[in-house]
Amino acid sequence: DAGVTQSPTHLIKTRGQHVTLRCSPISGHKSVSWYQQVLGQGPQFIFQYYEKEERGRGNFPDRFSARQFPNYSSELNVNALLLGDSALYLCASSFREGYNEQFFGPGTRLTVL
Amino acid sequence: AQTVTQSQPEMSVQEAETVTLSCTYDTSESDYYLFWYKQPPSRQMILVIRQEAYKQQNATENRFSVNFQKAAKSFSLKISDSQLGDAAMYFCARRGGSNYQLIWGAGTKLIIKP
Repeated sequence: DAGVTQSPTHLIKTRGQHVTLRCSPISGHKSVSWYQQVLGQGPQFIFQYYEKEERGRGNFPDRFSARQFPNYSSELNVNALLLGDSALYLCASSFREGYNEQFFGPGTRLTVL
Repeated sequence: AQTVTQSQPEMSVQEAETVTLSCTYDTSESDYYLFWYKQPPSRQMILVIRQEAYKQQNATENRFSVNFQKAAKSFSLKISDSQLGDAAMYFCARRGGSNYQLIWGAGTKLIIKP
């Protein structure tokens, strides 16, 4: 079975641009979470979606938004990119909301110049 | 603040020996879950071991075990018979009983010396 997949693997953008990151969960998993991991730090929670509804939001500005589609895949959108948005963006899926184990994808490395 | 603290930025151990990574956390909840994740250079976060706060028995997964001290809010990871493949960043994380987001520590880089 395929694990969590994320695209693209790497991305370079300039300040002020917009970016869309994509995540496909493990088949059968209905919950997707997004995390931002700045170099040298632990991940920070951005969003959690379950059954296409937002179930949690971390302390991130409104420039960050996300959605989950009927097939449970998810997109993370970031508008008006800042240099500080440069990070590894991790997507994790789990069978259901509150399930103990989250399975992570390989991440998307975003560089903002 | 609901924080997770890993006080060791880097640890090194000789292959085949035992190493312990430290983690402390802060929470006001009685129901929560604790995790150790491994992140190798490939970047993929892999679950190593988890502990439910209501369980008194320390979790064990093969060469990996934890020392969970609930009153002290301490959750250390012991790796026995260290192998070269254990080299990675190790992150401690906490999840609430009703709030499902993971709160992460800053990580400990584990170096295995051959």
